Amino acid sequence: QLQLQESGPGLVKPSETLSLTCTVSGGSISTSSYYWGWIRQPPGKGLDWIGSIYYSGSTYYNPSLKSRVTISVDTSKNQFSLKLSSVTAADTAVYYCARHYVVGGATDYFDYWGQGTLVTGSS
Amino acid sequence: SYELTQPPSVSVSPGQTARITCSGDALPKKYGYWYQQKSGQAPVLVIYEDNKRPSGIPERFSGSSSGTMATLTISGAQVEDEADYYCYSTDTSGNHRVFGGGTKLTVL
Repeated sequence: QLQLQESGPGLVKPSETLSLTCTVSGGSISTSSYYWGWIRQPPGKGLDWIGSIYYSGSTYYNPSLKSRVTISVDTSKNQFSLKLSSVTAADTAVYYCARHYVVGGATDYFDYWGQGTLVTGSS
Repeated sequence: SYELTQPPSVSVSPGQTARITCSGDALPKKYGYWYQQKSGQAPVLVIYEDNKRPSGIPERFSGSSSGTMATLTISGAQVEDEADYYCYSTDTSGNHRVFGGGTKLTVL
């Protein structure tokens, strides 16, 4: 059974960079047709896709966050990571990592999710 | 940017049919997907590619799509189906991947 687990600091100071890692177990991150994505959810609000990466390093980013986001992958560790720069209180959210199934221009969805980790942007 | 619009809330009695809608301009060309999120938990995929049900999802969950609207139907809703439901899709370019604002389903 595929499992994803987020890890990283739960508190980030304003103007600093948020860094999270997702560790994948029970399957290889280097599998065709599967991207690996980050989604966040501010407290009491809805879901917001941040971006996704393929094991080759190819990325898709949410245009509204693109200038602040970097997603990278380490296939040797079966991990992928998120960096979000210039954090403010508005970036306070539960951050989820998920497997992102993408086939052509039609099929596109997240099937396996991590449990999520709360990151607070505050001094 | 692209948007998917859902009603904020839907309420039904146990055993009734609940219908949650999702409106988006690209839905005639793009699949709709549905996620269930119970309090404090990660979202769970309940419908993919408009009307397909993943393994382990009860048969009372079904999906459909017509024109610019996708619909999640829960036939014979149960108390354990109380949750927030989110639709998901992309715009026609595939560059904007968005979730709807979410619908809180109350079964009581």
